[in-house]
Amino acid sequence: AQSVTQPDIHITVSEGASLELRCNYSYGATPYLFWYVQSPGQGLQLLLKYFSGDTLVQGIKGFEAEFKRSQSSFNLRKPSVHWSDAAEYFCAVDTGRRALTFGSGTRLQVQP
Amino acid sequence: GAGVSQSPSNKVTEKGKDVELRCDPISGHTALYWYRQSLGQGLEFLIYFQGNSAPDKSGLPSDRFSAERTGGSVSTLTIQRTQQEDSAVYLCASSSEPGVEETQYFGPGTRLLVL
Repeated sequence: AQSVTQPDIHITVSEGASLELRCNYSYGATPYLFWYVQSPGQGLQLLLKYFSGDTLVQGIKGFEAEFKRSQSSFNLRKPSVHWSDAAEYFCAVDTGRRALTFGSGTRLQVQP
Repeated sequence: GAGVSQSPSNKVTEKGKDVELRCDPISGHTALYWYRQSLGQGLEFLIYFQGNSAPDKSGLPSDRFSAERTGGSVSTLTIQRTQQEDSAVYLCASSSEPGVEETQYFGPGTRLLVL
């Protein structure tokens, strides 16, 4: 069965610093890949997605992610974090069975 | 509508009572999903509707859970004889292109607390 691993449960960065959130998946083929963000008390907002083609994808709010097939990874990055980026981030995969499989999430805290 | 809407936002109920949660998908979206987000289990798929096809109920945790989708639009998730372990946030999502390159858009969720 497919699985998604987000190894970092909690990350703290200073405002203005760069950010990288890790995501690894386990699946026999290349799934469709997504990053969602969830602010407290809110639903999930789509940040970006990868289906095929260019392995570096751009998303909203200045985020980008790079798909690396050899590492089964889809890490999320942002060059300069803003205080408003504090939230929980979820990596998800779609292996064609319609339902998304989510990682356990990474909670981002931003220090002033 | 502008996005997926869900009601109520919060629901507090007593153990053993039945609850109904509502989801209104984005207009024109043919696929609708329910997920559950709980502290112990993370985000889990519950059920999927696509058009007039039979729903995929493979994620429902027990026969106390059921869902219907009327007229291919609004969906209701019903939990009968609620238990404390049903306490969670129930998220609904919809998509317009089920299958290849499908993107799911989520509602704000219903936070259910079973006392």
